[in-house]
Amino acid sequence: QVTLNESGPVLVKPTETLALTCSVSGFSLTNPYMGVSWIRQPPGKALEWLAHILPNDEKSYNTSLKGRLTISRDTSKSHVVLTMTNMDPEDTATYYCARTLLDYSFAIDAFDFWGQGTVVTVST
Amino acid sequence: DIRLTQSPSFLSASVGDRVTITCRASRGISSYLAWYQQKPGEAPKLLIYAASTLQRGVPSRFSGSASGTEFTLTVNSLQPEDFATYYCQQLNSYPVTFGGGTKVEIK
Repeated sequence: QVTLNESGPVLVKPTETLALTCSVSGFSLTNPYMGVSWIRQPPGKALEWLAHILPNDEKSYNTSLKGRLTISRDTSKSHVVLTMTNMDPEDTATYYCARTLLDYSFAIDAFDFWGQGTVVTVST
Repeated sequence: DIRLTQSPSFLSASVGDRVTITCRASRGISSYLAWYQQKPGEAPKLLIYAASTLQRGVPSRFSGSASGTEFTLTVNSLQPEDFATYYCQQLNSYPVTFGGGTKVEIK
């Protein structure tokens, strides 16, 4: 059974760094056809892709976040960590991690399993 | 960035109706398009990927199609559990982007 679980602080202050962990089970982070992505959703708004890490440790980021993001993984613990620096109230959102499926040519196909999400509020 | 424009943004329908949602990409994305359903307080759920491939376990009343840069999600015979918000997503180029969403409500 595939599961993903996000964990991290519920409340962060402006300018602080957020660190979120995605703990996965039911699949391996080294499976050649499966990666992990992070996505966020501000209250009442649409989804926004943030970053992903692929089986070969390739990392990609949404450049709109201007270098604030870092994604990493610990394959022995089946964890993927996302850090976001210089947090702002506009970063208040539900943060999701999702399994990222690759097709036969290793192009990304879809996000097929999602965690339940973790709500992060940025406020003094 | 590739922009995805969904229409309509809001749709009022009755149980049993056939519903169509459109997603238009700002440039070509081949067939790297997926559709998700999201209910309040829940994570999105994958319905369709590669423009027209039904995800395992998703009812066959859901279908996807493509014509150039225009993609369509169709729900035949809308069921009570289908009232939700639907998002399209392109995975052809970075950054991965989502449409603005279509909320389907009960008439």
